[in-house]
Amino acid sequence: AQSVAQPEDQVNVAEGNPLTVKCTYSVSGNPYLFWYVQYPNRGLQFLLKYITGDNLVKGSYGFEAEFNKSQTSFHLKKPSALVSDSALYFCAVRDPNYGGATNKLIFGTGTLLAVQP
Amino acid sequence: DVKVTQSSRYLVKRTGEKVFLECVQDMDHENMFWYRQDPGLGLRLIYFSYDVKMKEKGDIPEGYSVSREKKERFSLILESASTNQTSMYLCASSVSGTGWTEAFFGQGTRLTVV
Repeated sequence: AQSVAQPEDQVNVAEGNPLTVKCTYSVSGNPYLFWYVQYPNRGLQFLLKYITGDNLVKGSYGFEAEFNKSQTSFHLKKPSALVSDSALYFCAVRDPNYGGATNKLIFGTGTLLAVQP
Repeated sequence: DVKVTQSSRYLVKRTGEKVFLECVQDMDHENMFWYRQDPGLGLRLIYFSYDVKMKEKGDIPEGYSVSREKKERFSLILESASTNQTSMYLCASSVSGTGWTEAFFGQGTRLTVV
């Protein structure tokens, strides 16, 4: 079955330190991978995506993600965390069972990032 | 700026009521989606639509139905609300493409069924 795993329910990091939010996936074929962020009582906002090409993808708000095919991972990273980065982060992969134009996504369970001042 | 608007931020309904959640997008997107979000379960797809009057079941369609009479509007219907449908509901839309277009989300509707 196609799936996405976010092994950490919560990640705590001090402001100014680097952060990593982990994501692993299991899909058939080449994966299309996404990261979204959700601030309290808000909808999801797109951060970045990997389709093909360079394994290091840069996105919004200084975030980047590293695609690793051999480890089937797509970890979200930022060199220096801000208190305002505190939010819920979701990793997602396109469901390959739905071909063509419909980009149905499979989401992970989410990781709460808490950045302490 | 792209926009997906859900008609209510908070909703309280009684068990057995018929509930309508409305979603409108102004981006002329072909695809629209309804998810529910529950702690520890992430987002689960209820229904989606890839064209007007077209719909497909997602992973958890039981107890729900949808309607898409116009391209910009996608409605989620709870035929007879139950307490286990208390949740955050998120609508999303995306342009039809080759699978790598990102989805845009509404602000969510927090539904409480009492």
